[in-house]
Amino acid sequence: NAGVMQNPRHLVRRRGQEARLRCSPMKGHSHVYWYRQLPEEGLKFMVYLQKENIIDESGMPKERFSAEFPKEGPSILRIQQVVRGDSAAYFCASSQGTGAYNEQFFGPGTRLTVL
Amino acid sequence: QQQVKQSPQSLIVQKGGISIINCAYENTAFDYFPWYQQFPGKGPALLIAIRPDVSEKKEGRFTISFNKSAKQFSLHIMDSQPGDSATYFCAASESDNYQLIWGAGTKLIIKP
Repeated sequence: NAGVMQNPRHLVRRRGQEARLRCSPMKGHSHVYWYRQLPEEGLKFMVYLQKENIIDESGMPKERFSAEFPKEGPSILRIQQVVRGDSAAYFCASSQGTGAYNEQFFGPGTRLTVL
Repeated sequence: QQQVKQSPQSLIVQKGGISIINCAYENTAFDYFPWYQQFPGKGPALLIAIRPDVSEKKEGRFTISFNKSAKQFSLHIMDSQPGDSATYFCAASESDNYQLIWGAGTKLIIKP
């Protein structure tokens, strides 16, 4: 049973380009969460999605960032017109149910570097 | 009120010693306190978690101590081993809320 998969593992973009980060949840999990981790900091919640629905995007910047979890295929975190401050590790997690007691399983992350 | 403060930022412990990492919170509505372990290049993995109805939870060499009145909780790693070298994060949330509030992390190094 494969865990949460993320790709690419490393992504380099120049300022102004678009970054697309993909996340495939664990089998049987329909809840997906995206987090951002800056160096020497803890993870910061960005967005929570279920299939075809954004449930909570309160942690996501209003501009340039978007997320989706289509009926078929992985969840996508999209960052348009990247800036240097977007450089970070982006982690996806999935869970079987919702609420704190439903363990979130994390993927290995995508490390985005903006030149 | 939503912050979780974690200390120390880094910690070096001799093999066989006890590693202690502390966290403090403000939001009294928090009632779920997990600890995550993260190795370089990997995502965080749940290590152990506690709810405030108990003051201590032990799993193998790992123990969480919880002090509700002081709004503090800590992770103790007994007989620390080099394989325990990792970054440890505490977190907190309300039980019906999926949003985990994370501490800044502690980089633990166990010296052989």
